[in-house]
Amino acid sequence: AQTVTQSQPEMSVQEAETVTLSCTYDTSESDYYLFWYKQPPSRQMILVIRQEAYKQQNATENRFSVNFQKAAKSFSLKISDSQLGDAAMYFCAYRSASSGGTSYGKLTFGQGTILTVHP
Amino acid sequence: NAGVTQTPKFQVLKTGQSMTLQCAQDMNHEYMSWYRQDPGMGLRLIHYSVGAGITDQGEVPNGYNVSRSTTEDFPLRLLSAAPSQTSVYFCASRTRDRGAEAFFGQGTRLTVV
Repeated sequence: AQTVTQSQPEMSVQEAETVTLSCTYDTSESDYYLFWYKQPPSRQMILVIRQEAYKQQNATENRFSVNFQKAAKSFSLKISDSQLGDAAMYFCAYRSASSGGTSYGKLTFGQGTILTVHP
Repeated sequence: NAGVTQTPKFQVLKTGQSMTLQCAQDMNHEYMSWYRQDPGMGLRLIHYSVGAGITDQGEVPNGYNVSRSTTEDFPLRLLSAAPSQTSVYFCASRTRDRGAEAFFGQGTRLTVV
């Protein structure tokens, strides 16, 4: 079974600075997707960024980018120019894309990292 | 476009009571899932459906039942509530496309006393 580990329960950053959230995962599959979700105090789950394992280029969405290291099974999220609205719980998640497997299509989440942004 | 709608948003149950958490989506998504969120444990998959009439167990299925008679609805039934089922419950849906984004409802905070 796949596992996702976020080893930083809490992180903090000054407004306008850069912060990196860590995520590692364990899988024997080669075809999968990785996601970062944001959960603000409203509880709504919001997709921040996704990465397909077969794509070597790191995904980028505006101020959010990832460092995807497939061999090391690492998937960190970098937030540049942090804003007060970035304060939230962030979840890393894995989803198999190998059809036929028992875990196909099912999201496996990490424990979450609470990000605080200081003005 | 309402997206994924969960009801109720909050619920308090007594131990042993049963109830159904409702989930409806209006995006014609094939895949629907139920997760529970507990502190320090992230979200864990309870049950899963790839289409009407097809369901599958997730990581933590005990104490919960599901059925999917329509594409739009995927209710989660608690058969006999226990304090260990105190949690926040999320319903999610997506298309069957490989990299499709999962859309989540607003969650239901359930307390079992």
